[in-house]
Amino acid sequence: AQTVTQSQPEMSVQEAETVTLSCTYDTSESDYYLFWYKQPPSRQMILVIRQEAYKQQNATENRFSVNFQKAAKSFSLKISDSQLGDAAMYFCAYRARNYGQNFVFGPGTRLSVLP
Amino acid sequence: DAMVIQNPRYQVTQFGKPVTLSCSQTLNHNVMYWYQQKSSQAPKLLFHYYDKDFNNEADTPDNFQSRRPNTSFCFLDIRSPGLGDAAMYLCATSRDPGGVHSYNEQFFGPGTRLTVL
Repeated sequence: AQTVTQSQPEMSVQEAETVTLSCTYDTSESDYYLFWYKQPPSRQMILVIRQEAYKQQNATENRFSVNFQKAAKSFSLKISDSQLGDAAMYFCAYRARNYGQNFVFGPGTRLSVLP
Repeated sequence: DAMVIQNPRYQVTQFGKPVTLSCSQTLNHNVMYWYQQKSSQAPKLLFHYYDKDFNNEADTPDNFQSRRPNTSFCFLDIRSPGLGDAAMYLCATSRDPGGVHSYNEQFFGPGTRLTVL
């Protein structure tokens, strides 16, 4: 069974600084997707960034980028120039490409941004 | 804008009194999910529909049931809520994971926070 691990239950970063959230996963599949979702306090879960396993190039979305290491099964999220609005729970998620495969979520990392 | 809508946003019920939560989507996605999320935890999948094909997670209590009368709507029924069922309930949708040129990420609704008195 696939599993997703986030080893940092809580992180904090100073405003305008850079922070990296860790995620590792376990799978025997070769074709899959990886996602980072953000859930602000009492607000909706939204997609931050996504990566397809067959793409070697790391995904970037403005201040958000990932370091995808397929062999190591690692998918970390880097947030540059952190803003107060980045404070949230961040969930790493995995999904195999095959039909019927559900999303597997990590336990989450709570990120605090200090002014 | 295409979206996932959940009603109500807050639901209060009494111990043992049945409750129904609703979800609708304008994304025309064929997969719909129900998750239970407790404070500061990851969402826990209860069940999902691929079109009308219902898939129940092995550890989802019998107390929870679901209906999907059409592509757009999905309901979560809690037959006899207990105190342990107090949580946020999230509805999400996605496209077929086998689709080409698509990441098929999940789109989440805002959730319904259930309180059991």
